[in-house]
Amino acid sequence: SAVISQKPSRDICQRGTSLTIQCQVDSQVTMMFWYRQQPGQSLTLIATANQGSEATYESGFVIDKFPISRPNLTFSTLTVSNMSPEDSSIYLCSVEGSAYEQYFGPGTRLTVT
Amino acid sequence: QKEVEQNSGPLSVPEGAIASLNCTYSDRGSQSFFWYRQYSGKSPELIMSIYSNGDKEDGRFTAQLNKASQYVSLLIRDSQPSDSATYLCAVNGDAGNMLTFGGGTRLMVKP
Repeated sequence: SAVISQKPSRDICQRGTSLTIQCQVDSQVTMMFWYRQQPGQSLTLIATANQGSEATYESGFVIDKFPISRPNLTFSTLTVSNMSPEDSSIYLCSVEGSAYEQYFGPGTRLTVT
Repeated sequence: QKEVEQNSGPLSVPEGAIASLNCTYSDRGSQSFFWYRQYSGKSPELIMSIYSNGDKEDGRFTAQLNKASQYVSLLIRDSQPSDSATYLCAVNGDAGNMLTFGGGTRLMVKP
């Protein structure tokens, strides 16, 4: 499976600011995904990011709040904009392997004060 | 709306016992099924995938799939304290690459 890294691993941010999370993969992948995991909850898909096309957002998530870039086949960013305490979560990127398997990065733990 | 349901637990088993984790899903067109293990403070780790009815074994883990009953399970034999984690069931539908995750079952293996 691919080796996936995320930056930053954690951050504490003030409300109203924005944070960009980076996801780097050690091999080229077509499909990358961004998830949110709120405290004590399961994973919720934010969007699917394909290289060369606009990200596809799930219900409840909008591009203005969570802009995503996918400039090449090994890298993606997720920005959490105009943050509020409700955005405090773990943000995870994943990549698709064979047969729809997904492999996750280590996550970014975000706290908004 | 596609749903994946799991008992949140905690499921407590003694060391050496068999732990049985269950998952039901609503989308009858689902094709691919996955079990992830998530330790506290860590990201999910894929431990099993299953695509056809029946059993699939990998070491101490056995995944079982029954598409007619829309049911998938994970058995952990000879449970160890290191198996204590939250186990997430994930299901892929018949359109697209997205996974829908269940809420997870917290497993506690007591020495």
